[in-house]
Amino acid sequence: GAGVSQSPSNKVTEKGKDVELRCDPISGHTALYWYRQRLGQGLEFLIYFQGNSAPDKSGLPSDRFSAERTGESVSTLTIQRTQQEDSAVYLCASSQGLAPIDTQYFGPGTRLTVL
Amino acid sequence: DAKTTQPPSMDCAEGRAANLPCNHSTISGNEYVYWYRQIHSQGPQYIIHGLKNNETNEMASLIITEDRKSSTLILPHATLRDTAVYYCIVRVVSFGNEKLTFGTGTRLTIIP
Repeated sequence: GAGVSQSPSNKVTEKGKDVELRCDPISGHTALYWYRQRLGQGLEFLIYFQGNSAPDKSGLPSDRFSAERTGESVSTLTIQRTQQEDSAVYLCASSQGLAPIDTQYFGPGTRLTVL
Repeated sequence: DAKTTQPPSMDCAEGRAANLPCNHSTISGNEYVYWYRQIHSQGPQYIIHGLKNNETNEMASLIITEDRKSSTLILPHATLRDTAVYYCIVRVVSFGNEKLTFGTGTRLTIIP
């Protein structure tokens, strides 16, 4: 079946503009995660959604970052007033979420460049 | 979650077995060892995971030492498409700790 999809694949924006990144999880996956990967660095956790529970926002770097998810479907990550340090690849992952052992499957990412 | 140590880079000849080591000397009893890889410009891809027994699937084998302080990911017949960065992570698998933290991994280059 289809994997995790993300759009756009690339986004170039000017400093100060808002951007919205989209993630479509694997159908039936109740858990959804957002990560950030700066050039040459490892993954940095941002936020986690599980079913209808309140999201775990512990990784969001500032109040300019927010994310929403409607039910168990699409999620959007919004970055307001973008800064150059926001430039990174933003990765979305989903898992079945039925047990802690569930494996996370990643999308291809959105490469964000803030000029 | 325990910290892992991996060599920054490795080469392997095409067709040979690629053995990627990972040190996790501070691993605790309820932490699993997970391996992911990231091919250039793609998202991370799950490979395999284990607790204490050796594991094998269609992609790879995972050998965990008896004391669980280190493990080796084995790609039995490496192909050029296996060129990627390989991440070894250990994590407590429990509700409330689902997030993954990746280090810088091992950059594996398969040589024709």
